Amino acid sequence: GAVVSQHPSWVICKSGTSVKIECRSLDFQATTMFWYRQFPKQSLMLMATSNEGSKATYEQGVEKDKFLINHASLTLSTLTVTSAHPEDSSFYICSVSGGQLRGNEQFFGPGTRLTVL
Amino acid sequence: AQSVTQLGSHVSVSEGALVLLRCNYSSSVPPYLFWYVQYPNQGLQLLLKYTSAATLVKGINGFEAEFKKSETSFHLTKPSAHMSDAAEYFCAVTFQGGSEKLVFGKGTKLTVNP
Repeated sequence: GAVVSQHPSWVICKSGTSVKIECRSLDFQATTMFWYRQFPKQSLMLMATSNEGSKATYEQGVEKDKFLINHASLTLSTLTVTSAHPEDSSFYICSVSGGQLRGNEQFFGPGTRLTVL
Repeated sequence: AQSVTQLGSHVSVSEGALVLLRCNYSSSVPPYLFWYVQYPNQGLQLLLKYTSAATLVKGINGFEAEFKKSETSFHLTKPSAHMSDAAEYFCAVTFQGGSEKLVFGKGTKLTVNP
């Protein structure tokens, strides 16, 4: 399967600042990537679908101007949390889609813990 | 619309006992089904997947699951629990020929007692 990395693994920032999270597919051409957030003791909530070379598709209720997604290459997607507030504190996980040939299997990154003070 | 129901948010077993984590799905078209495991502060790791081949699927770490269309179920089992199996388990569904999105269940936390 694909190896997916995320950077940073954790970040602490002040309220009002912006934070960028990188998701890299190390050995797989990632046409489609996904961004999730996970609150403590809860399941994953899909935020958006990131397609290489085009605009991301956001799920209902996710503010696209607050959570900026860029997928400029087949190996890198970034999520920028703009003007972060404490309620944005969460665990953010990205995944790479293996596509129909892989039965839509997704390969997950290790996650990024964001804490906004 | 697709959905996944995991019965039991918490399951506790003794070391060496059978592990059974339940997953039922709803899908109007043939599904692809997955079980993922998540350890604290980590991403998700695939345990096994069903993609319309054999209905009994064997995965990593001694886990297996059986796709039962008549029961719309994909329960995860392991004959003998190890302490290292303690984690959160997620069942997920997508469907053939459609969106690549996965629909996740709410998860089941497995505790293994010594």
